[in-house]
Amino acid sequence: DAGVTQSPTHLIKTRGQQVTLRCSPKSGHDTVSWYQQALGQGPQFIFQYYEEEERQRGNFPDRFSGHQFPNYSSELNVNALLLGDSALYLCASRVAGGPVGEQFFGPGTRLTVL
Amino acid sequence: AQTVTQSQPEMSVQEAETVTLSCTYDTSESDYYLFWYKQPPSRQMILVIRQEAYKQQNATENRFSVNFQKAAKSFSLKISDSQLGDAAMYFCAYFLGNNRKLIWGLGTSLAVNP
Repeated sequence: DAGVTQSPTHLIKTRGQQVTLRCSPKSGHDTVSWYQQALGQGPQFIFQYYEEEERQRGNFPDRFSGHQFPNYSSELNVNALLLGDSALYLCASRVAGGPVGEQFFGPGTRLTVL
Repeated sequence: AQTVTQSQPEMSVQEAETVTLSCTYDTSESDYYLFWYKQPPSRQMILVIRQEAYKQQNATENRFSVNFQKAAKSFSLKISDSQLGDAAMYFCAYFLGNNRKLIWGLGTSLAVNP
């Protein structure tokens, strides 16, 4: 049973570029959340997707957008990259109706913006 | 404001001994869930233990247990018989069901000395 997978593992971009990160949820899971974890910080919630709709959003600008596909996988897109977007991006999945708040995390994508 | 405070940025423990990590939180809600997550150097966030706020009984998972003091809004994690593999960042978080997101602390880095 595959857990949550994310790609790529590492990514280096320059300011102003655009990036797409990908996440495949754990088998049987239908809800995907994205988090940004800056160095030395706890994760910050970006948004959550369920049934291909954004259900909840944290305090992130519109440069951060996402998508969920019919197979429940998800993408996180960031436009006009800033140096401050350098972070570990974590994807977490859960099954709707499962234990409240319990999520399974992927290994993350380390994004470096130069 | 909804916040989680972990007052110990770093802790250390001798192998086989017991250590307690502190966490306090602030919420005016009555329905919430508390979590401890572990993030080893591999970066994968792993759920350690979960506590429902409406339950008075402290949660236990093998060598991990919590001391949940609802009135004091305190949620500490006790690790018994510490092992080298317990070395990691430990994050305390809580989940408000209506917000559909986890609120995280800044983490405590735990070193286990042989």
